[in-house]
Amino acid sequence: QQQVKQSPQSLIVQKGGISIINCAYENTAFDYFPWYQQFPGKGPALLIAIRPDVSEKKEGRFTISFNKSAKQFSLHIMDSQPGDSATYFCAASKRGSTLGRLYFGRGTQLTVWP
Amino acid sequence: EAGVAQSPRYKIIEKRQSVAFWCNPISGHATLYWYQQILGQGPKLLIQFQNNGVVDDSQLPKDRFSAERLKGVDSTLKIQPAKLEDSAVYLCASSLGTGGFSEQFFGPGTRLTVL
Repeated sequence: QQQVKQSPQSLIVQKGGISIINCAYENTAFDYFPWYQQFPGKGPALLIAIRPDVSEKKEGRFTISFNKSAKQFSLHIMDSQPGDSATYFCAASKRGSTLGRLYFGRGTQLTVWP
Repeated sequence: EAGVAQSPRYKIIEKRQSVAFWCNPISGHATLYWYQQILGQGPKLLIQFQNNGVVDDSQLPKDRFSAERLKGVDSTLKIQPAKLEDSAVYLCASSLGTGGFSEQFFGPGTRLTVL
């Protein structure tokens, strides 16, 4: 059972455009929602994360929007650059849990054309 | 600060053979994780250690997979015998603490191909 559903599977964006990746979850106990960026041959690296007590978090060109009632969150990449081409994973965990297990989405392969 | 180290980076074996992966976490990190990442999917947690004790191995196929963390530092993950469906990237991650949420840092992974 997929705890976190992610779409689209792949995304092609022109340089300077906006990339949008969406995720949905079912478990209302989740209270921490990170996004990871993974380049080929590398492990995932934390990009940005949000808690459900805020609706939006922005770090540079990256913004997470969070809709608690809809149980959805999304990553927006403004002014997308070729260097942003990578696979992006959303994830969720129960921050209050002693285990802190991360449940990952299936990933979105982003390609930014110059 | 050195990152999480893993070896080997690539491994090709025949089905029913055995294989072992090694991980050296970031110095001082108490928690170590092993994930399986099948092509086209997100990482799936196999096992989590807190120091040298297992805190979560609910997703580990214990009939063929085993893992240990020696002296609360390095860890090895073993598959014996391997099946075709074990072909995946095996990622090791470490974090300073556990729960609360402590950021997980991932190594580059070991790509396993089972023929």
